[in-house]
Amino acid sequence: QQQVKQSPQSLIVQKGGISIINCAYENTAFDYFPWYQQFPGKGPALLIAIRPDVSEKKEGRFTISFNKSAKQFSLHIMDSQPGDSATYFCAVLIKAAGNKLTFGGGTRVLVKP
Amino acid sequence: DGGITQSPKYLFRKEGQNVTLSCEQNLNHDAMYWYRQDPGQGLRLIYYSQIVNDFQKGDIAEGYSVSREKKESFPLTVTSAQKNPTAFYLCASSRGAEQYFGPGTRLTVT
Repeated sequence: QQQVKQSPQSLIVQKGGISIINCAYENTAFDYFPWYQQFPGKGPALLIAIRPDVSEKKEGRFTISFNKSAKQFSLHIMDSQPGDSATYFCAVLIKAAGNKLTFGGGTRVLVKP
Repeated sequence: DGGITQSPKYLFRKEGQNVTLSCEQNLNHDAMYWYRQDPGQGLRLIYYSQIVNDFQKGDIAEGYSVSREKKESFPLTVTSAQKNPTAFYLCASSRGAEQYFGPGTRLTVT
């Protein structure tokens, strides 16, 4: 049962451009919406996260936009750099279920210099 | 240095053998998790533990077993009953909603 659909699967962007990754979820009971960044052969690292009572959160070049009514949230990477080339995962969490995370399928981002 | 340690980084086993993957954390986190990642796919939850001596099945627990005898340690055993054990295994820990991941163990079974 897929609860989180992530798109696109892959993305190529020029250096300095904007990378946009979208996630749609099916359940309204989620409490927390994190994004993780993963480099090849490494564990995912928490990048940025948002709670459902906030519509937008910005940390440096990374911004999460959250649309509760549409059950969607997105990650925007501004001024994309080659070092941002990685796979990005969105996730959703239910606190009442032991803080279980359910992940999207991932988006592989390639930033061309 | 605080963090999560997984060992070994690479592990090779023959089909039919059980294998145990190590996960240790010195972050003083109560909760620990095991995920499996297959090539080009997201992470799927195998088992999780919120306190010592207690753990729950995740979405794909069949063929796996865990123990949580110490707060710092959450070993995962991949048994011979697991039909497709070759994968990248990730351990995580958390206090609250933020989960932090270890570097992973790549298991290859032939």
